[in-house]
Amino acid sequence: DTGVSQDPRHKITKRGQNVTFRCDPISEHNRLYWYRQTLGQGPEFLTYFQNEAQLEKSRLLSNRFSAERPKGSFSTLEIQRTEQGDSAMYLCASSPAGGGGITDTQYFGPGTRLTVL
Amino acid sequence: AQSVSQHNHHVILSEAASLELGCNYSYGGTVNLFWYVQYPGQHLQLLLKYFSGDPLVKGIKGFEAEFIKSKFSFNLRKPSVQWSDTAEYFCAVKSPMDTGRRALTFGSGTRLQVQP
Repeated sequence: DTGVSQDPRHKITKRGQNVTFRCDPISEHNRLYWYRQTLGQGPEFLTYFQNEAQLEKSRLLSNRFSAERPKGSFSTLEIQRTEQGDSAMYLCASSPAGGGGITDTQYFGPGTRLTVL
Repeated sequence: AQSVSQHNHHVILSEAASLELGCNYSYGGTVNLFWYVQYPGQHLQLLLKYFSGDPLVKGIKGFEAEFIKSKFSFNLRKPSVQWSDTAEYFCAVKSPMDTGRRALTFGSGTRLQVQP
């Protein structure tokens, strides 16, 4: 399977705990995105990397959230001191280089479903 | 900021019926437009996309969409649905030229239920 992969697929945690999710993009895709999707809503953008540089962050990304992509390949999203409102599906997407970002298409992974008790 | 409206939240059709799902966006500049589909238990998959050129675009599985700039719309159509089209459909917009953003803005989705 050469698609976007995410790990874990499901995470249950208690309020106040820290959690970390991993995303492996499609090979040779230099752009990587994180989105959050809650029940009955479409995905909402969180942050974007081009290679290892984090170029865009949504105001949804509070200071409890941090994302990294240290070597320009996989990425991690960490949530500190989780709250019940953080319960959602966290989606990762990647897109290829070229097109100046104008015409790139994002391909999504299966997501990590987070439940905060 | 860009916003996307999908007015049909839940659509129920019988097999062989025709489908049209509405999508309207707010930003009037250059846009890239997408429809994604999420089948039960599966992840988001690209159905079709529009960047430029012919405003009528064809996607996979017999779907098509028409970009009407004057109406800020990108409606999804299929002449004859099948039970296997049961899924959630999301319209998404990117407006990179004017805002410089790479992020997609999604609508809230339309749940399509096709009855055999």
